[in-house]
Amino acid sequence: DAEITQSPRHKITETGRQVTLACHQTWNHNNMFWYRQDLGHGLRLIHYSYGVQDTNKGEVSDGYSVSRSNTEDLPLTLESAASSQTSVYFCASSATSGGTDTQYFGPGTRLTVL
Amino acid sequence: GQQLNQSPQSMFIQEGEDVSMNCTSSSIFNTWLWYKQDPGEGPVLLIALYKAGELTSNGRLTAQFGITRKDSFLNISASIPSDVGIYFCAGPNAGNNRKLIWGLGTSLAVNP
Repeated sequence: DAEITQSPRHKITETGRQVTLACHQTWNHNNMFWYRQDLGHGLRLIHYSYGVQDTNKGEVSDGYSVSRSNTEDLPLTLESAASSQTSVYFCASSATSGGTDTQYFGPGTRLTVL
Repeated sequence: GQQLNQSPQSMFIQEGEDVSMNCTSSSIFNTWLWYKQDPGEGPVLLIALYKAGELTSNGRLTAQFGITRKDSFLNISASIPSDVGIYFCAGPNAGNNRKLIWGLGTSLAVNP
């Protein structure tokens, strides 16, 4: 069965360190998204990609970067982790349908920055 | 900009009760999506609505696309403990329907 996986599921790091969160999907979807979820803020879009070599900034992109070298993977990098980036991170993917694209989510990565 | 307002923010109910929640916007949407997030998991699509006035069911869940296109409703009948979670509404970004606009969610707790 097709799926979307994230790793690690939990990560503790220190302020200033570089951290990369992995996202891998086997749906063969063109579109991939990274969100962060914080209490009171719902799901906020960090970065997204519509295909290989395509990346775009979302509403809360500062301090984060992504790269898309193949269809299956969209790793999220925190260049220099800050305590404000402690959050739960979700990766999602969707196929371009011509209408509204339903997004499928991974299980999330809980990141703690000390 | 587009915003989705969900209410209530949270609910605490007894097992067996019916639940109603809604999602409203000042903008018109041509699609409404309802997702559920179980504790410790990612959101999962429950119901998709594509036409004003549409009423769609998925087991004990029923969702409606409001006639004005500015709101949607989700009802859960005869709640059970596994209904616990956060329910999100979402709709397409007006400028780019590959992106979604999300409500802040309704958190549901069910007392057995």
